[in-house]
This record gives sequence, structure tokens and C-alpha cells, in this order.
Amino acid sequence: QVQLQESGPGLVKPSETLSLTCTVSGGSVSSYYWSWIRQPPGKGLEWIGYIYHSGSANYNPSLKSRVTMSVDTSENHFSLYLTSVTAADTAVYFCARVPRSSYFDFWGQGTLVTVSS
Amino acid sequence: DIQMTQSPSSLSASVGDRVTITCQATQDITNYVNWYQQKPGKAPKLLISDASNLEAGVPSRFSGSGSATHFTFTISSLQPEDIATYYCQQYDNLPPMYTFGQGTKVEIK
Repeated sequence: QVQLQESGPGLVKPSETLSLTCTVSGGSVSSYYWSWIRQPPGKGLEWIGYIYHSGSANYNPSLKSRVTMSVDTSENHFSLYLTSVTAADTAVYFCARVPRSSYFDFWGQGTLVTVSS
Repeated sequence: DIQMTQSPSSLSASVGDRVTITCQATQDITNYVNWYQQKPGKAPKLLISDASNLEAGVPSRFSGSGSATHFTFTISSLQPEDIATYYCQQYDNLPPMYTFGQGTKVEIK
């Protein structure tokens, strides 16, 4: 059974960079695409982007100017970097697997990131 | 961009009732619609993929149908453990983009 676990700071200051890592167990990041999705408190879900083990990535156009993703096959994890954060970036951040192009089948439990000084 | 309109935003039904949620897309998305269940404090769980494929281990009271622009998610007999928020999600491949519906909160009457 594939399991995903997000990790990273729970508090980020405005204008700084949010950095999260998703560690995959029970499977390899060298297969499939891997995605980040976020959910502001009490609101709906927003896709942030996905990355392939080759390093090829696609991002949500609304966040593209601030987002970078990377993958480390030796550590079996992938990462999210979101620059110049504001309070609007406060959300639970989920990582997920994309087994085919169209859906997310395994998810991490999510991690709350609060942007505040 | 393709937009997804999900309705209703909330509903209240009795145990055993049939519950239906719809998602309408602004463009033809063939069958690239998936349905998720999210319970409070938990990650979403994939229930239905590609409009109508029931994921392994998901009870058969859950079903999905539709194509092109109109999609339906049904719980044939609502159970207490089905209390959750349900989301549709569409995929567009040019360029790759995933969009979720606004969510439907299902409660027991």
C-alpha cells in the first residue's frame, strides 16, 4: 500500500518561501506523476501542480510564477516551493499520486501551513 | 479555462434516501471526471474515477454517470458513515489542469 507523508514548517512569514516535502513509502517516485493540492481552512480544493520523476512539471497557471517542484529519486520524495507567500496561502497542503493523467488515488494526511508574522 | 459547477452546495437527507449530486462543465471533457469523499480533518478519498468506475473497496451504493458536460454522483441508500463533503474533479489535458467543484456537504436529517 502506497503511503505519502507531508513534512515541513507549519508557520511561514509573509514574503518568505513555503517549503514542503512529501515522502513516499510502499512505492517509488520513479513511477507515476506526483502532485500537490491545497485547501484553505473551510474552503475547497485547489490543484497546485505535478511533477514526474524526470523532473518535468506542470503548474496551475494561477500559481505558476511562484511555484517550483522537485523530485529526489534517491530519497524517494518530492518537494514543493512556493515563494512570496501571503495570508492567502494559508492552507492544508496535501501531496497525492497521479496514477494516470486524470485523478489522484493516494493522498497524504495533509499539513497545515499558516502564513503569519 | 474549463469551469466546474457543482450542486447543491449542501443537502440534508434521511438514512436510506437516494442522494444525487451533479457537476456541470463549461466544455466537453469526455469522461475526465472523478469523485471524492472528504471527512472532517481527513484527506479526500477517491470513490469514482473516469465518471463511472468504482474504486476497489468502495461500497456499491456509490455510483457515477455522465459524459461530455454533465455528470452525476449518486448514493443509492444514504448511510450514517456517508456524512462528508463530496467533490467532483475534472481534468483537462491541454494544458494539464485539474479543477475541483465547490463541494457538497451531505448531512443526515
